[in-house]
Formats: sequence, structure tokens, C-alpha cells
Amino acid sequence: QVQLQESGPGLVTSSETLSLTCTVSGYFITSGYYWGWIRQPPGKGLEWIGSIYHTASTYYNPSLKSRVTISVDTSKNQFSLKLIYVTAADTAVYYCARVPFGRGQHWFDPWGQGTLVTVSS
Amino acid sequence: SDELTQPPSVSVYPGQTASITCSGDKLGNKYACWYHQKPGQSPVLVIYQDGKRPSGIPERFSGSYSGNTATLTISGTQAMDEADYYCQAWDSSTAVFGGGTKLTVL
Repeated sequence: QVQLQESGPGLVTSSETLSLTCTVSGYFITSGYYWGWIRQPPGKGLEWIGSIYHTASTYYNPSLKSRVTISVDTSKNQFSLKLIYVTAADTAVYYCARVPFGRGQHWFDPWGQGTLVTVSS
Repeated sequence: SDELTQPPSVSVYPGQTASITCSGDKLGNKYACWYHQKPGQSPVLVIYQDGKRPSGIPERFSGSYSGNTATLTISGTQAMDEADYYCQAWDSSTAVFGGGTKLTVL
């Protein structure tokens, strides 16, 4: 059974870089599927950040594309998120998820437990 | 517009049918999927592609489409179904989520 676990600092200083890693267990990241990041500000809805395939092919949310990099480390069965120049608006619970796709659709299943990242000034 | 619009809240009595809609200009030729999220928990996929249910999701959850609107239907709603529900679609290499609907079981 595939499981995903986010890890990284829970507190980031404004204007600096947010870095998170998602470790996948129970499934080889190279066996197919995209792998994605989604965030949720406290009390608000879900926002897709981006997705990556094990070949490093990526899709990014256009509203975040200039600040986001998603990478994959197949040797560690992990993928990572970097978000530069963070502000308080980037404070959110960050989730990683497996991204099945087919018939013109991508969806997220399962999700990690999420990790809260707070941006402080 | 690539936005997906959901009603902020829906209420239903136990045992009745709950319907949550998701509308968007580009939804007409795209599948929507649905997630529920209980307080303090991660979202869980309940419907994907053309109304398919993942393993473990009860049969009372179903999805349908009409024009530019997707609908999640919960038949025989139970108290455990009380949660936030989000629709999501994939279009032009972008994933978009609806704003979410809080389902209250009265």
C-alpha cells in the first residue's frame, strides 16, 4: 500500500525559500504516475502547486510557476518542492500526493498527511 | 475562465440524498473528480474520471455530468459523510480545484 510522508521545516522566514520533501513508500516512484504537491492555507480551500513524472517532466500552476521548482530523486524514492521568495500568503498545510492520470484527467490519490509551513516576518 | 464554482454549503438530513454541484466553463468536455476532507485530515478521493469510485468508497457516492456542471450525489447520507467536499478538474495541463462545499448532516 503506497504511503506518502512530507518533511521539512515548519517555519520559514519571509523572502526566503521553502523546501519540502515527500518520501514515498510501498511503491516505486519510477513505476508510473505523476507525483504532486497541493497546499491549503488555514481555513481555506485547496490549491494545486505542481506535478512531476519520474523522468522529471513537470506541470506547474501558472500562478506559482515563477517561484516553484519540483524535482525527483528516484534513488531515494522521493520528490521535492522548492518555493522561493515566500510571504505570509504562502503559509499553508502542504500535501504531497500520487497523481494517477488517464482519459485526459489527472487526480490525486492517495495524499500524505500534510505538513504545516508558517512564514514569519 | 478556468474556475470551478461550488456552493459554500449544503445541508441534508440523515438518510436523505445530498447533491453538490461544480460548475465551470471548461467542464463540459472534462471529467471532474471529487474529494472529501474531514477536519484535521487529508483529502480523500471519492469519485474520479467518469464517476468511478476508488476501492473502499461506499456505493452511496456517485458522480454525474450535465453540460458544464458536475454533480456529486450521496444517497442515504450518513452522519460520517459530514465533511468539506472539493471538485477538481484537469485542463490545459493544469489542475484546478473548486472552492469547496461544507456538507452538514442535520
